[in-house]
Amino acid sequence: NAGVTQTPKFQVLKTGQSMTLQCAQDMNHEYMSWYRQDPGMGLRLIHYSVGAGITDQGEVPNGYNVSRSTTEDFPLRLLSAAPSQTSVYFCASSYSTGAEYGYTFGSGTRLTVV
Amino acid sequence: DAKTTQPNSMESNEEEPVHLPCNHSTISGTDYIHWYRQLPSQGPEYVIHGLTSNVNNRMASLAIAEDRKSSTLILHRATLRDAAVYYCINGGGADGLTFGKGTHLIIQP
Repeated sequence: NAGVTQTPKFQVLKTGQSMTLQCAQDMNHEYMSWYRQDPGMGLRLIHYSVGAGITDQGEVPNGYNVSRSTTEDFPLRLLSAAPSQTSVYFCASSYSTGAEYGYTFGSGTRLTVV
Repeated sequence: DAKTTQPNSMESNEEEPVHLPCNHSTISGTDYIHWYRQLPSQGPEYVIHGLTSNVNNRMASLAIAEDRKSSTLILHRATLRDAAVYYCINGGGADGLTFGKGTHLIIQP
């Protein structure tokens, strides 16, 4: 049981480039989400999905797009990378949207935009 | 999510119990109390969560005050591997978890 898998683990981008961060889970979780964590800070929610075909914005959605075509995958797209998007990105999933279930997090993608 | 208040850091000795406090005076009646921890260079790891009653699992215990305005995460016998940042979070649900800065737990050998 792999849990939540994020790829790549590290990435360096030039300003203006685009890329997709991958997230996959094998626990049949309906709820998936993306967070970013800046140095010395807590995690902030970017986008989330309550099921295939349904996505919504979190606290800091600007500059990011998501889609959810399958239950297993929830990719995060950076449209035009900016230095302010340098951060560590975490994907998380949960059995449902209810707070009665815990979240499983991936190990993160460390992104540097130069 | 309702706001929580935690000490910035705490220090404990190896093989001793650790009590990590959390205040959540504005918690709503339906908000769960979640605890996660984050080891250096890793993603957050679920520790425990509960609603009203005290909860136990293989990692820790969660003691919830009767008025639910505070809770305590209890690590029964700390090891060096328990050194991490511990986050106390209320709520959850579709709009996710609101992480504060957490408590940096230092374990002395």
